Amino acid sequence: SQKIEQNSEALNIQEGKTATLTCNYTNYSPAYLQWYRQDPGRGPVFLLLIRENEKEKRKERLKVTFDTTLKQSLFHITASQPADSATYLCAPYNFNKFYFGSGTKLNVKP
Amino acid sequence: NAGVTQTPKFQVLKTGQSMTLQCAQDMNHNSMYWYRQDPGMGLRLIYYSASEGTTDKGEVPNGYNVSRLNKREFSLRLESAAPSQTSVYFCASNSEGFNSPLHFGNGTRLTVT
Repeated sequence: SQKIEQNSEALNIQEGKTATLTCNYTNYSPAYLQWYRQDPGRGPVFLLLIRENEKEKRKERLKVTFDTTLKQSLFHITASQPADSATYLCAPYNFNKFYFGSGTKLNVKP
Repeated sequence: NAGVTQTPKFQVLKTGQSMTLQCAQDMNHNSMYWYRQDPGMGLRLIYYSASEGTTDKGEVPNGYNVSRLNKREFSLRLESAAPSQTSVYFCASNSEGFNSPLHFGNGTRLTVT
């Protein structure tokens, strides 16, 4: 069955630095992948979608890459701010459904 | 614009009791979904409805039933609650397909004792 792996340990970085989060998947080949942000006690909120033929996608301070050979997506936040602190989930799309990773918690310290 | 509304926000059940989680969306979306979220497990799809009148099983459907009452509403029923169903339940909706983002409600936190 398909498996999605995100770093379970929290990522702690200093304000102003670039945060890089990893999403690895196995046993399938999604054509599309989405990233979501989740704050405590709230539902996930959509951030970005990337297609398999797009190596990179940007939106303001966010950048996502998608390497279908490595079966990996990287999510970058540049010039990070304390307000970026949250859990980030990747969601590869397969067979008309989105499958979610367990998320990585990002802590940005002032 | 309310988006996706879930009720109740919190619920405590005893083993064997039944209950229905309600979900409604006001975005005229065709597809609706129920997920559960457990620590370290991520969001797992329970059931989904691609369009009004259709429902399909997801990854973890056992112990649950759903009803797509109309285009706006999609309910999740636990007929005989078990402690293993203690979780946070999220409802989501989208227009259709891969390039339509999911819009989530804020969840129902369910505890089964």
